[in-house]
Amino acid sequence: DSGVTQTPKHLITATGQRVTLRCSPRSGDLSVYWYQQSLDQGLQFLIQYYNGEERAKGNILERFSAQQFPDLHSELNLSSLELGDSALYFCASSGMGARETQYFGPGTRLLVL
Amino acid sequence: AQSVSQHNHHVILSEAASLELGCNYSYGGTVNLFWYVQYPGQHLQLLLKYFSGDPLVKGIKGFEAEFIKSKFSFNLRKPSVQWSDTAEYFCAVNAPHTGKLIFGQGTTLQVKP
Repeated sequence: DSGVTQTPKHLITATGQRVTLRCSPRSGDLSVYWYQQSLDQGLQFLIQYYNGEERAKGNILERFSAQQFPDLHSELNLSSLELGDSALYFCASSGMGARETQYFGPGTRLLVL
Repeated sequence: AQSVSQHNHHVILSEAASLELGCNYSYGGTVNLFWYVQYPGQHLQLLLKYFSGDPLVKGIKGFEAEFIKSKFSFNLRKPSVQWSDTAEYFCAVNAPHTGKLIFGQGTTLQVKP
């Protein structure tokens, strides 16, 4: 158990819908990262938040957005879903700095039908 | 742009065989290097990491990796694999100024008992 929790574990929805994925970081960690893992793209960085503010952006689609709340939990919102958005979405948390180990949550498996 | 390449996509070994998984990265500056493992049905876990100093890094479960700067490589090794090492292995890099991890495509290791 990494200490990072993600809900839900599984999500099945239809094209065009909107979903919200939730992540609670390890106690004391201020940074939250979101990654997408798919068969064709592999593991890709989406976005990072640090203490409530966006810190870095990766290959995140405009249909996707995220935020980090004052209690440090984070939500990833995926809208106008397409079949290709089906993937495993991981959240990771760490302390400050690039040398800090990122601890990954169990992931949310999203299936868009 | 940073990228990571893992040469072997699928490796099959018998127990007690030696393991070496290749990882090359492309980035002009200083990088931090990581190997993560994902056991079936579990979250990503850090095996080992390199920031600076001794280029031979020892990690958990008997794994080690060697950073060769001139070859932009960070290969993972284990002298004698066990059936329990069956998993997917990911090499990753980040730059010192950013925490976002750039992952390789992953290598699936299957160890036959």
